[in-house]
Amino acid sequence: KQEVTQIPAALSVPEGENLVLNCSFTDSAIYNLQWFRQDPGKGLTSLLLIQSSQREQTSGRLNASLDKSSGRSTLYIAASQPGDSATYLCAVRTGNMLTFGGGTRLMVKP
Amino acid sequence: GAGVSQSPSNKVTEKGKDVELRCDPISGHTALYWYRQSLGQGLEFLIYFQGNSAPDKSGLPSDRFSAERTGGSVSTLTIQRTQQEDSAVYLCASSLWGRAAGNTIYFGEGSWLTVV
Repeated sequence: KQEVTQIPAALSVPEGENLVLNCSFTDSAIYNLQWFRQDPGKGLTSLLLIQSSQREQTSGRLNASLDKSSGRSTLYIAASQPGDSATYLCAVRTGNMLTFGGGTRLMVKP
Repeated sequence: GAGVSQSPSNKVTEKGKDVELRCDPISGHTALYWYRQSLGQGLEFLIYFQGNSAPDKSGLPSDRFSAERTGGSVSTLTIQRTQQEDSAVYLCASSLWGRAAGNTIYFGEGSWLTVV
């Protein structure tokens, strides 16, 4: 059974810092890995999708990497802003199942 | 439509009543997923549909939960004889099928259910 873990569970940083969120998974036989953002009281917004054959994806200030063999992904956020405050979730797709980590709750202080 | 649409957005119901939650996926998306997120918890997989069929019902927490999808589009999740522990946000997602490796999954805003 696939298990996904995200560390840290919560993170508070001052505005402008670069930061890294970590995601690990137990079964490396994945199709893809997706990073989501969830704001309080809202649904999930897709940020980046990395296919199993890829090593990284970039979108603006966000960069996600994937090391499938070691079961790890990182989400790098450059020059963080208060508007980045949210919960960040990673999810891995194995077959027809999308398994989520518990999320990292990020607070960026002005 | 432009995105995954869910209704109602909020529902307060009395314990023991039945509720129906609706999901309208993105047009053309043949895969549809239901997840549940309890307060402060992670996402719990409930069920997924490929077209109108549900090959995987393993996540439904009890026989009070059922789901159907008609016409390969709209899906309803039904909870019978609701209990307080059913209180959660129910999230629906959809994606294209086929080349699974490249298919982004898109979520709706969720249906927030409170059982009192």
